[in-house]
Amino acid sequence: NAGVTQTPKFRVLKTGQSMTLLCAQDMNHEYMYWYRQDPGMGLRLIHYSVGEGTTAKGEVPDGYNVSRLKKQNFLLGLESAAPSQTSVYFCASRLPFQTRPLHFGNGTRLTVT
Amino acid sequence: GQNIDQPTEMTATEGAIVQINCTYQTSGFNGLFWYQQHAGEAPTFLSYNVLDGLEEKGRFSSFLSRSKGYSYLLLKELQMKDSASYLCAVRVAGNQGGKLIFGQGTELSVKP
Repeated sequence: NAGVTQTPKFRVLKTGQSMTLLCAQDMNHEYMYWYRQDPGMGLRLIHYSVGEGTTAKGEVPDGYNVSRLKKQNFLLGLESAAPSQTSVYFCASRLPFQTRPLHFGNGTRLTVT
Repeated sequence: GQNIDQPTEMTATEGAIVQINCTYQTSGFNGLFWYQQHAGEAPTFLSYNVLDGLEEKGRFSSFLSRSKGYSYLLLKELQMKDSASYLCAVRVAGNQGGKLIFGQGTELSVKP
């Protein structure tokens, strides 16, 4: 049982380049989330989705876009990368009940030079 | 606004007990979660509290006081493998998606 899988694991981009981070879950979870984690800042929510075809903004959405075309996949896009987007990105998913915890992927370490 | 506070770092000795505190001020409350995160790895779920009181799960216990906006995670019989970051997170009520707001995490070092 794979759980939540993120690709790629590492990436280096130049300023202005674009890329897409892929998150896939095989637990049939309705809700999916993208967080970024920076030293001293904790995990901050970028965008989230409560079902196929729906997305919503989190705390720090600027510079990112997302899509949820299939229930099991949640894509995070950076159209024009900036050094401020250097971070570790985590995808998470969960069932739609308030008591249910998030299940996290192993993260993508992105460096923008 | 949303604010969750935890100590940045703590050090404890193998075999001892350590308590990691978390205070929160959020617009609504729908449960508090504790996660463990080893360096370079994903956070993993430890415990959930929504009612006041203590929840025990093996060597780990978590306590909640909603009136005080306070929680703690208690780790007993510390082992070297407990060296990790411990994240406190609040599920904010009244919004679609039941978002989790995270504290910055407490880095725990267990010494021999």
